[in-house]
Amino acid sequence: AQKITQTQPGMFVQEKEAVTLDCTYDTSDPSYGLFWYKQPSSGEMIFLIYQGSYDQQNATEGRYSLNFQKARKSANLVISASQLGDSAMYFCAMREGGGSNYKLTFGKGTLLTVNP
Amino acid sequence: NAGVTQTPKFQVLKTGQSMTLQCAQDMNHNSMYWYRQDPGMGLRLIYYSASEGTTDKGEVPNGYNVSRLNKREFSLRLESAAPSQTSVYFCASIVGPSNQPQHFGDGTRLSIL
Repeated sequence: AQKITQTQPGMFVQEKEAVTLDCTYDTSDPSYGLFWYKQPSSGEMIFLIYQGSYDQQNATEGRYSLNFQKARKSANLVISASQLGDSAMYFCAMREGGGSNYKLTFGKGTLLTVNP
Repeated sequence: NAGVTQTPKFQVLKTGQSMTLQCAQDMNHNSMYWYRQDPGMGLRLIYYSASEGTTDKGEVPNGYNVSRLNKREFSLRLESAAPSQTSVYFCASIVGPSNQPQHFGDGTRLSIL
């Protein structure tokens, strides 16, 4: 079974609108974390936001927020007020267990296109 | 302001040739990683190193070897390249703790003919 599932291969959104990118995960470890990365067409991996399994509040970073529903095992990324520069591939990734040498398991990604 | 530096950025090999991908970080990070990215597959972990002198296998280690030369450098070697190893390779590092993100290099695009 896949540990990280991103069910939307591609998404379209109009500039200035909000968009939600879905991510569901599967783990039996009580300590885990979810990361979202952005990969523009230039290829680099850009960290966006992090949510820990014990965090009481949903993470927010500027226009990015994470809709974390622990019981449903989902960690959806919400981008508010989309910009043309948000067009990119977005990856959800999970860390299982603690420690400073953690491994990440990535989803297959969602390609977001922002239309003017 | 270098962060994680990968060399080369592009490489074309013939089947059976050997190649070493270099990765260096200047952030005094303890842990370093090698991933490969294939179309539609996301990133998959090849090998990682929790500290200088230690290495461990990830999800897809077959056909690769690694060396943690020192705290800064972590290299990935293809001894006998195969077309199935055509991919984009990313190096990443982290100092910890576990709520900190892995920092990625810009990637090496490798084609094996």
